[in-house]
Amino acid sequence: EVQLVESGGGLVQPGGSLRLSCAASGFTFSSYWMSWVRQAPGKGLEWVANIKQDGSEKYYVDSVKGRFTISRDNAKNSLYLQMNSLRAEDTAVYYCARGGYSVYWGQGTLVTVSS
Amino acid sequence: AIRITQSPSSLSASTGDRVTITCRASQGISSYLAWYQQKPGKAPKLLIYAASTLQSGVPSRFSGSGSGTDFTLTISCLQSEDFATYYCQQYYSYPLTFGPGTKVDIK
Repeated sequence: EVQLVESGGGLVQPGGSLRLSCAASGFTFSSYWMSWVRQAPGKGLEWVANIKQDGSEKYYVDSVKGRFTISRDNAKNSLYLQMNSLRAEDTAVYYCARGGYSVYWGQGTLVTVSS
Repeated sequence: AIRITQSPSSLSASTGDRVTITCRASQGISSYLAWYQQKPGKAPKLLIYAASTLQSGVPSRFSGSGSGTDFTLTISCLQSEDFATYYCQQYYSYPLTFGPGTKVDIK
């Protein structure tokens, strides 16, 4: 059974940093592009970033470029999102998902940026 | 970036109704379009990819059509479990983008 489990969310002050993790199981992690998608409270879905199977290609939405970094560790079947210089508008549930369009999603982890 | 619009933004319908949701891309995306269903507090569920391919396990009352810039999701006979918000997503080019969503609620 495919499972994606996010962790690392929480309350952080504006300007702070947070690192999200996503533990994958039930499939060959190293064979798939992986994504982060977020959803602000009461709002729609927003794609955040993608990373290729070997980590050689990464893509970001403009609003997070230079602040967020997506990475992966195929030996640990894990996906990461390092978030720096956080802003109030980054407050959202962050989902880990497999692929560019995604059959499999995690349950999400809430990031709240507030003083 | 490719902009995605959806219409309507919300609709009220009854069980048994036929429902159609439209998604329009600001430029051609071939058939690189997916449709998702999302219920409150849950992750999105993939319904359709490649504009018209039904994801395994999704009921056949869901169908998708279109290519280029105009796409449609149709629910042929609305069931109680279909009341949710529906999103389309283009995966033709980066940044990947979602439509703003269509909320389907009970009339």
